[in-house]
Amino acid sequence: AQSVSQHNHHVILSEAASLELGCNYSYGGTVNLFWYVQYPGQHLQLLLKYFSGDPLVKGIKGFEAEFIKSKFSFNLRKPSVQWSDTAEYFCAVNLSGGGNKLTFGTGTQLKVEL
Amino acid sequence: DTGVSQDPRHKITKRGQNVTFRCDPISEHNRLYWYRQTLGQGPEFLTYFQNEAQLEKSRLLSDRFSAERPKGSFSTLEIQRTEQGDSAMYLCASSYRLAGGYNEQFFGPGTRLTVL
Repeated sequence: AQSVSQHNHHVILSEAASLELGCNYSYGGTVNLFWYVQYPGQHLQLLLKYFSGDPLVKGIKGFEAEFIKSKFSFNLRKPSVQWSDTAEYFCAVNLSGGGNKLTFGTGTQLKVEL
Repeated sequence: DTGVSQDPRHKITKRGQNVTFRCDPISEHNRLYWYRQTLGQGPEFLTYFQNEAQLEKSRLLSDRFSAERPKGSFSTLEIQRTEQGDSAMYLCASSYRLAGGYNEQFFGPGTRLTVL
């Protein structure tokens, strides 16, 4: 069965620091990859997605992620975080042609301090 | 607000009672998903519908759980004889399925269930 691992459960950064959140998945087939974000008191929202093509994808709010197939990784990055980025971030994968159900990682709680 | 809505937002029940949750997807979305999220975990897939047909169920969905989407619009998730282990956030999501493509799943606010 496919699984998703997020290595950092809690991250605390100061404003303007750079961010990288790790995500690895275990599945040898063709996958679609996603990062979702949940701001305090809000719904899960899609941050960015990768289906095919350029492995460096850009999302909303200055986030980007790089798909490295050989490492089964899809790490999330942001060059300079803001206090408003405080949220929980989830990596997710779905199998191409697999009915679109998502398999999520356990999430990373990011706190950005002023 | 045209997003996914869920009702109720919170439910407290005693062990052994039955509970039912409702999800209203975004209008015209033909796929509807149920997920469960427990503390410290990401959402876990439970089941999904395309229109009124339930196409897949997770092994997490024991026989105490049943989901319906009778007219291909709103959906209900019922849990019979609730157990304390059922305490979780139950999330609903919807998407519009186009042949050969993936469409973003839009999530609702969830129903938080507490079983005493």
